[in-house]
Amino acid sequence: DVKVTQSSRYLVKRTGEKVFLECVQDMDHENMFWYRQDPGLGLRLIYFSYDVKMKEKGDIPEGYSVSREKKERFSLILESASTNQTSMYLCASSSGTTTNNEQFFGPGTRLTVL
Amino acid sequence: AQKITQTQPGMFVQEKEAVTLDCTYDTSDPSYGLFWYKQPSSGEMIFLIYQGSYDQQNATEGRYSLNFQKARKSANLVISASQLGDSAMYFCAMRERNTDKLIFGTGTRLQVFP
Repeated sequence: DVKVTQSSRYLVKRTGEKVFLECVQDMDHENMFWYRQDPGLGLRLIYFSYDVKMKEKGDIPEGYSVSREKKERFSLILESASTNQTSMYLCASSSGTTTNNEQFFGPGTRLTVL
Repeated sequence: AQKITQTQPGMFVQEKEAVTLDCTYDTSDPSYGLFWYKQPSSGEMIFLIYQGSYDQQNATEGRYSLNFQKARKSANLVISASQLGDSAMYFCAMRERNTDKLIFGTGTRLQVFP
């Protein structure tokens, strides 16, 4: 069974803290993605990666960075958390080789920044 | 720019009835893919169905079918014989050409009542 896991389901941090959100997939997928989901806005792409050590900005990269040192792991970093980064964060992966290239999602991390 | 529009914030349907969730898209590329995902209250995103822009037939997966009208740029999801477990958020998404990036709509919350 394909699986994408995220390090935490719920996380509470203080303004200014450095925050790491970890995502691991066990499907040997090339592509990995980080989204944030806010009510009324749907899912918005923060960063994505097509290969190890490769990253590209999505639609809303400001205030975030990412790291992909190994194929199976894609980390989202909030260098200095702010209250407007309170959101649901979803990680996804895809193989890049199938016809529909569906993305498989993790369970999400609900981050609250106080 | 590519865009996905879901105009129904919420929908109600009675159990065992059919329901249509609307999705329109905007793109100038001839090659694209359209997806529907379901997000139950638990938060995980579940892939439902895919339609390629060159597919001749409308996609079907069990009780889910995609009413693809290319000229109107619409890709509505039809759920037949609704079940209580179908209550969830539903997102329409489009894959950008030559990438695996997805653009999501804002979602429709479906509630199925007995």
